[in-house]
Formats: sequence, structure tokens, C-alpha cells
Amino acid sequence: DIQMTQSPSSLSASVGDRVTITCRASQGISNYLVWFQQKTGKAPKSLIYAASTLQSGVPSRFSGSGSGTDFTLTISSLQPEDFATYYCQQYYSYPRTFGQGTKLEIK
Amino acid sequence: EVQLVESGGGLVKPGGSLRLSCAASGFTLSSYSMHWVRQAPGKGLEWVSSISSSSTFKYYAASVRGRFTISRDDAKNSLYLQVNSLRAEDTALYFCATPPGARSFWGQGTLVTVSS
Repeated sequence: DIQMTQSPSSLSASVGDRVTITCRASQGISNYLVWFQQKTGKAPKSLIYAASTLQSGVPSRFSGSGSGTDFTLTISSLQPEDFATYYCQQYYSYPRTFGQGTKLEIK
Repeated sequence: EVQLVESGGGLVKPGGSLRLSCAASGFTLSSYSMHWVRQAPGKGLEWVSSISSSSTFKYYAASVRGRFTISRDDAKNSLYLQVNSLRAEDTALYFCATPPGARSFWGQGTLVTVSS
């Protein structure tokens, strides 16, 4: 199974900050990576798929990069609505696996 | 409007069974492979099972293999998950979802609680 390791597991930041979350796969997954945002009590929302393709309707302050084993999600200027938990998931092979999540909190 | 609506969850005793359903509207389910993902209270996301668009291929997490069965009825635009031999650790919110891509949809989930 492919293990997905996210870091950090939690992060405190302020409105306007630039934030980067990383996700590392235990083996190469090409660009078969998706980033989700989840708010409490809600379904996950896809932000980025294919590692760097912005989902329609997602603000351009979100961006993704990487290929192979190392990936990043960047939020260029945090907005109040961005405080949530973020997950990466690989869809290169089964079983599909998620990172453990990064909780982004207000400083 | 595109929607996925899960149903069928509830409180069940250990060893019990449920049939979870996911009804799609606003798009044609048959065009997509489909997935179930769960989230235990206060925990992260866990992939559970997937089914190909033709039902030819079915995949399961090791933790549910042999106990859960995924199926679909494209005529009814619906996805199912039969969950048997339930354990306390199966307690979670169960989501259905389309695969990652340009059109990515998730339902709001149905809660399964396994407790005596």
C-alpha cells in the first residue's frame, strides 16, 4: 500500500499569511494526487486534482505542485474561510490512501 | 443541480448489517467509477471501497474486505454498500463520491453507529 504522509499535522496562521502544506508518498504516484478541504460537519471539497489542476470555482490563491513522491498545497494569502482541515489523497493505485490531515487554525 | 444523497445509516448492534444507498441526480452515474469513503468521529478520511463504471472491478480496504459489498444500479442512478458483521470500529460517517477530476462530487454522508 502507498502511505501518504502530510506535514505539518496542524498549523496556526493569520489572515493574509502564505501557507504551505506538504504531502509525501511512500512510492511514486506520478501526478495522481488530489487535495481536499474539509470544514467541520461537512463533506470534503476538492481543491486541486492531478497534483496542480485547480478545481473549477476554487479561488486562485490555492495552488498545487509536485510529481512523483513530493507534493505541496499552497495558499497564497489566507482568508478567514480557509481555516479548515486539508487532506491529500493518492489515486494512482488501490487501496486509495489519504494523508492524515492538516488542521489549519487561526493564530 | 448535481447531488449525491446517502441514506441507510443508523444505530446497529455489533454483528449487525445495513445497506447504505447513494442516489445521484443531475448527472449520469453510469459514466463514473464510484467510491465510498468513511470518517470516524474526530478522525481522518478513510477510503472504503470502489466500483468501476461497468461493475467489472470492485476494490475494498483490507479492514472491510469480506464484510462489505459494493454495487451499483445505473438504471436507478444509485450506488450501494452492503455492510455486514459490523464492528464498533466501523462507526463513521460514510460518504459516496465520484473520482477525482474535473467533475468531483461528494454526498453529505450517512452516519453508521455500531453499539450495543
